[in-house]
Amino acid sequence: AQKITQTQPGMFVQEKEAVTLDCTYDTSDPSYGLFWYKQPSSGEMIFLIYQGSYDQQNATEGRYSLNFQKARKSANLVISASQLGDSAMYFCAMREGSGGGADGLTFGKGTHLIIQP
Amino acid sequence: ETGVTQTPRHLVMGMTNKKSLKCEQHLGHNAMYWYKQSAKKPLELMFVYSLEERVENNSVPSRFSPECPNSSHLFLHLHTLQPEDSALYLCASSQERSMLSYEQYFGPGTRLTVT
Repeated sequence: AQKITQTQPGMFVQEKEAVTLDCTYDTSDPSYGLFWYKQPSSGEMIFLIYQGSYDQQNATEGRYSLNFQKARKSANLVISASQLGDSAMYFCAMREGSGGGADGLTFGKGTHLIIQP
Repeated sequence: ETGVTQTPRHLVMGMTNKKSLKCEQHLGHNAMYWYKQSAKKPLELMFVYSLEERVENNSVPSRFSPECPNSSHLFLHLHTLQPEDSALYLCASSQERSMLSYEQYFGPGTRLTVT
């Protein structure tokens, strides 16, 4: 079973509009962290925002915010006032906190976001 | 140089060749990672090194052989690869592998094509 599910393979959004990228996750570990990364066509993964499972408030970083709904196991990324430079692949990822070995990130399949002028 | 660098950026190799991918991080991090990104598949974690010791190997075929001579450098040695190994190979580093909140910093990747 997939641990990270991103149901939107692609999205087209008008410039300056807000956009929400969906992410649901599956874990039985009470301690985990959720990450969003942006991957432009150049290939480099760029960290955007982090949310810990015990964080009481939704994370925000500039134009990025994370809509964290723990009971629904949902961690959607919201980008406000989208810009042409936001066009890229966006990946949701998780790191689980116990068990020792799994320190790498588990990624979803990504959403290809295209901002239209 | 800053961040995480990877060389070469592009590599084409035959199935009988031996080549190596290099990763270098200039961030003073303790942990380094190799990921494979194939078309239409999620990124797959291949190897994790912490303080130069391999701590995870996600059932990667032996034709991929990692090496971490020090905390700043990570190599991926390749030999007798298959066409399905063609992918983008991403290196990453983080400050401390056991901390949940520490994000991983990625390099630009090596685009590998196996012919």
